[in-house]
Amino acid sequence: AQKVTQAQTEISVVEKEDVTLDCVYETRDTTYYLFWYKQPPSGELVFLIRRNSFDEQNEISGRYSWNFQKSTSSFNFTITASQVVDSAVYFCALSETAGTASKLTFGTGTRLQVTL
Amino acid sequence: ETGVTQTPRHLVMGMTNKKSLKCEQHLGHNAMYWYKQSAKKPLELMFVYSLEERVENNSVPSRFSPECPNSSHLFLHLHTLQPEDSALYLCASSLTGTAYTYEQYFGPGTRLTVT
Repeated sequence: AQKVTQAQTEISVVEKEDVTLDCVYETRDTTYYLFWYKQPPSGELVFLIRRNSFDEQNEISGRYSWNFQKSTSSFNFTITASQVVDSAVYFCALSETAGTASKLTFGTGTRLQVTL
Repeated sequence: ETGVTQTPRHLVMGMTNKKSLKCEQHLGHNAMYWYKQSAKKPLELMFVYSLEERVENNSVPSRFSPECPNSSHLFLHLHTLQPEDSALYLCASSLTGTAYTYEQYFGPGTRLTVT
């Protein structure tokens, strides 16, 4: 069975600090996809990134960066120079196929609070 | 309308009521999903529809009945619910592919309270 662990339940930082959200996954599949989603207080999950298991290149998008390490089954997410608008719950997810659609297994989420 | 919409946004119902949640996607996707999000629990996948066919039913009680009349619409019919069914119900959609897994786009959710 697939599993995603986000050990950090809640993180609190002061604006402009860097923060890393950890994600560790378990799967027996050789091909899989990992995702990060952001859930602001409004409730809607916002897609941030998809990474497939064959692409271990790190990715940077503005203040966001992702570190995928297959050797440690981790897909960590770093926010540089955090801002109050980054306050949200962040979910890491792992996919498996359901026919031609996908099933996502989510972690329990990390609540990030950024204060002034 | 853009993205994935859900109605109603909030719903309070008694245990003997029958109600339906509606989801509509305007993204040209062909797979749709229902998730349940309870406090302090991971998001739970309930149902998956791919090309209007149900391909996954994650041991969901029969008091939840999904319907997918076309690739743009998804319903969740509710009847004889229990208080523990109170949660945020999220709808999502995605493209489908046999050699690629696409990201899912989520609606804002329906906050359901069962009294």
